[in-house]
Amino acid sequence: GDSVTQMEGPVTLSEEAFLTINCTYTATGYPSLFWYVQYPGEGLQLLLKATKADDKGSNKGFEATYRKETTSFHLEKGSVQVSDSAVYFCALRDSNYQLIWGAGTKLIIKP
Amino acid sequence: EAQVTQNPRYLITVTGKKLTVTCSQNMNHEYMSWYRQDPGLGLRQIYYSMNVEVTDKGDVPEGYKVSRKEKRNFPLILESPSPNQTSLYFCASWTTDRPSYEQYFGPGTRLTVT
Repeated sequence: GDSVTQMEGPVTLSEEAFLTINCTYTATGYPSLFWYVQYPGEGLQLLLKATKADDKGSNKGFEATYRKETTSFHLEKGSVQVSDSAVYFCALRDSNYQLIWGAGTKLIIKP
Repeated sequence: EAQVTQNPRYLITVTGKKLTVTCSQNMNHEYMSWYRQDPGLGLRQIYYSMNVEVTDKGDVPEGYKVSRKEKRNFPLILESPSPNQTSLYFCASWTTDRPSYEQYFGPGTRLTVT
């Protein structure tokens, strides 16, 4: 079945560092891909998405490109801030309109 | 404001005492779902509903019940809670009418069963 694998955390960076959180997927066809973010004490919210190969999703300085050839959707940000500390989830939407989730990656940004 | 609400936000209960966690959405979404979040396991789907009176099991349905009598509400029922159901629970809703199919999440319910 479909699955999502993302890098284990926690990932600890200093403020203004470059961020990459890896996400790879296994799926039949070409699913839509998502990154959700969960700030402390809150529910999940959509960060960005891509619906087809080579699409780049972007929001709040974060970017991710849908790479069909490597079945990847890595999350990147050029300069992280303390306020980016959160848990980040990669997900794909399957043919039944359900989301298949990665395990989540906790990001800690130190000032 | 478009939102998914859950109540209660925090609940401490004892083994075997029936409880209900409510979920409501005001976006007229046809799909709703319950997830539980546990450290290291990410989000696991408990049950979901495609519309009124239509529900199906997710990955971890044992020990839970749901009902969908109205489109806006999707309560989660634990008939006889056990300590292994201590977790953080999220309700979500979405529609397939829009291309993004984004899921909207409630704020979460932290349940402790002693």
